[in-house]
Amino acid sequence: DQQVKQNSPSLSVQEGRISILNCDYTNSMFDYFLWYKKYPAEGPTFLISISSIKDKNEDGRFTVFLNKSAKHLSLHIVPSQPGDSAVYFCAAIITGGGADGLTFGKGTHLIIQP
Amino acid sequence: DAGVIQSPRHEVTEMGQEVTLRCKPISGHDYLFWYRQTMMRGLELLIYFNNNVPIDDSGMPEDRFSAKMPNASFSNLKIQPSEPRDSAVYFCASSQTGELFFGEGSRLTVL
Repeated sequence: DQQVKQNSPSLSVQEGRISILNCDYTNSMFDYFLWYKKYPAEGPTFLISISSIKDKNEDGRFTVFLNKSAKHLSLHIVPSQPGDSAVYFCAAIITGGGADGLTFGKGTHLIIQP
Repeated sequence: DAGVIQSPRHEVTEMGQEVTLRCKPISGHDYLFWYRQTMMRGLELLIYFNNNVPIDDSGMPEDRFSAKMPNASFSNLKIQPSEPRDSAVYFCASSQTGELFFGEGSRLTVL
């Protein structure tokens, strides 16, 4: 049973526009969420995170929104740039109960078109 | 800091052979994780260690897989015997405060 779901395997967005990547989770115990970005032949790198006590976290062009009632989070990239083309993984964790590994979604391949 | 270092970057082997993947975590990090990435299942946690002790290996697919962390600066993941379905990219990650730092991965192809 997949606890973190990214239902869009790929997404194509024009340069300069907004990219919205979505993520749904089923475990209501998750209280911390992260987005990782992965280029080909490289390991995932941390991008942005949000605690369940917040509904929004912004860092430059990247904003993550959390809707706890819907068990849904999204990553917004504005404006999208060619260097944003990568695979984006959503991840979730239950903090305070030990350091269990993150539960990852399968990823969404974002393609920024010039 | 050099980051998490994994070797080999690429491994091609024949079914039945033993495969050993290696990881050097970031110095001072007390958690080490092994993940496997496949197209079908995305990133899966295989096992993680805290202070060199295995904490949760419930993600290890079967007895053919084993992982050790003999000291704070090294871990290995072994597959014996390897099978074609083990073909994937294996990532090692380390952490101290919760944020994971990943290595570049070891791409394994079992023929």
